[in-house]
Amino acid sequence: DAGVIQSPRHEVTEMGQEVTLRCKPISGHNSLFWYRQTMMRGLELLIYFNNNVPIDDSGMPEDRFSAKMPNASFSTLKIQPSEPRDSAVYFCASIPGTGGDTQYFGPGTRLTVL
Amino acid sequence: KNQVEQSPQSLIILEGKNCTLQCNYTVSPFSNLRWYKQDTGRGPVSLTIMTFSENTKSNGRYTATLDADTKQSSLHITASQLSDSASYICVVSGYAGNNRKLIWGLGTSLAVNP
Repeated sequence: DAGVIQSPRHEVTEMGQEVTLRCKPISGHNSLFWYRQTMMRGLELLIYFNNNVPIDDSGMPEDRFSAKMPNASFSTLKIQPSEPRDSAVYFCASIPGTGGDTQYFGPGTRLTVL
Repeated sequence: KNQVEQSPQSLIILEGKNCTLQCNYTVSPFSNLRWYKQDTGRGPVSLTIMTFSENTKSNGRYTATLDADTKQSSLHITASQLSDSASYICVVSGYAGNNRKLIWGLGTSLAVNP
């Protein structure tokens, strides 16, 4: 298995631009998580899906952030408009169960907003 | 407030030496505690998981301990290798209402020098 796949690996954009991050979970996993990691705040859960349905989006910082999971093998995290404070590494993770299982993380997308 | 605190923030040791990383938590009610290893530029990878009734769990040269009474955990690395250089993150699973919540520590950055 290729593991969790994320793209792009690096993204540099200018303030105000739209950014879309993509994730393909491990085949057969039915829960997907989006995290943001910074030095100051560590890993923060943004949103998670179970069977393609958003379950908890309380970590989404504001309306500029949105996430979708149109099918079991694909999810996107969109930031519009982007701001410099959004600069971070964004991780996607998946698990086979609905809770308590080990999370399998992708390699992350390093986002820099100038 | 649910919190996970790790110490030290960073650590430098010589190859072959042992070290111990600490994790204190205030998460209640408690479900389980995990240690993850995160190599530079990669997503976290699970090392161990411990439930309330477990005191010690080993994974090769990694040994985790848990004291549920004092709400402390430690990760001991024996005979360190250069490949152990990474960030080690403690994650505690608890509940907020009926929802399971993961509380992530900020991690300990370990550098193993030759």
